[in-house]
This record gives sequence, structure tokens and C-alpha cells, in this order.
Amino acid sequence: GAVVSQHPSWVICKSGTSVKIECRSLDFQATTMFWYRQFPKQSLMLMATSNEGSKATYEQGVEKDKFLINHASLTLSTLTVTSAHPEDSSFYICSARARLAVNTGELFFGEGSRLTVL
Amino acid sequence: AQSVTQLDSHVSVSEGTPVLLRCNYSSSYSPSLFWYVQHPNKGLQLLLKYTSAATLVKGINGFEAEFKKSETSFHLTKPSAHMSDAAEYFCVVSLGFQKLVFGTGTRLLVSP
Repeated sequence: GAVVSQHPSWVICKSGTSVKIECRSLDFQATTMFWYRQFPKQSLMLMATSNEGSKATYEQGVEKDKFLINHASLTLSTLTVTSAHPEDSSFYICSARARLAVNTGELFFGEGSRLTVL
Repeated sequence: AQSVTQLDSHVSVSEGTPVLLRCNYSSSYSPSLFWYVQHPNKGLQLLLKYTSAATLVKGINGFEAEFKKSETSFHLTKPSAHMSDAAEYFCVVSLGFQKLVFGTGTRLLVSP
């Protein structure tokens, strides 16, 4: 099956530093990748949609200067949390849509990255 | 606009008894529907999907769901719960290129 790898799985950083999270589709080309944020015991909140080679589309209320998304290739997207603060602590999950699954909308999810900002 | 409602935030069952997780959707067109499972601190794993083929969909780990257009429902069932089924379950709706819309999730608790 399609595999999406997310790294790191957990990270602890000091307030004010930047953290980069990688999302890779290991055995398929991802036309689109999505980044979600999940607060404890809540559903996933879509942050942004990124298509390879173009700028990400951010959801309303998500600061694009704080959450930088790069989708440089069909297998890699990165989320950089800039100048992180404790309120940015959360579980971040990426997902990827394969070319073959475009019409069904099926997504493949990474394992998630837990960010803790001290 | 499309939306999905998961009627129960928590469902508790005993091991070996049936599981029913309810989901109702709202969509102007024929949607694609999915059930995903999330174990603690993990990403989401696809259990099954409905994409306008057979209305009774069989998934992994003995789960299945039936698409009922007349009731706008896509309930998830399993004949016999196992301890390892304890997790968070999300019902999701999609219209092709459009974004997925997630339900609020149902936490399944399985007691010995």
C-alpha cells in the first residue's frame, strides 16, 4: 500500500526557534499534500494544501508566515513552524493524494509529528 | 456544501460484542466516503472507502460499512470487538478534487 513517512515523529524545542517537519510519499507520486493540526481529543484541522511546484493554499485563520510550507517535489513536502511558541505545541499530520486516487479523494496519512515548545 | 456528523463522541463495548459507529453525511452530489482509524499519537489509517461501487463495503480488520443514500448514512460495524480496536474513528466525506471533510471523531472503548 501507499506509504507516507513523516519526520520527526516528535520534537521538543525552545520558544523562538524554528522547527521543520518533513512529509514524504515513499512509493507513489503525490500531486497534492495536506497539512493538518490536531489538538488533544479533537478532530483534524486542515491548515494548508500544497501542490508540487506551487505556493500552498492556506485555510482561513492560518498564518502563512508562521507555518511555511514547501512542496519541492512530487514526493516531499515540508512544514516549518517559525519562531515557535508554546501555543504552537500540537500534533501535526500530513497527508498525500496519489495521482491514481485523484478522483476518489483518498488520502494517505503520515504518522504525525508531535511538537512541544517549551 | 458537504459535511459529516458522527453522532457519538464515545462508544463503549465489551470484547466480543458488536460494534456500531454512526455517521451521517450531507452532500449535494455522490460523495466518496471513508472511515479512518487513529491510534494514540499515530497518524490515520484507512479502514475502508465507498466510491459509488458496491454499497456494502468491507474493510480491514473485519470492519464494514453500508452506504445508505436514503438515510444519508455510512455507519461502521464489526461483528465482534477486539481489544486492539480501541481507538479514535473518523468518518470522512470527499467530492473528488475537493478537500476532505472530517467528522468530529468517535472514541471506541473496548473492555475485557
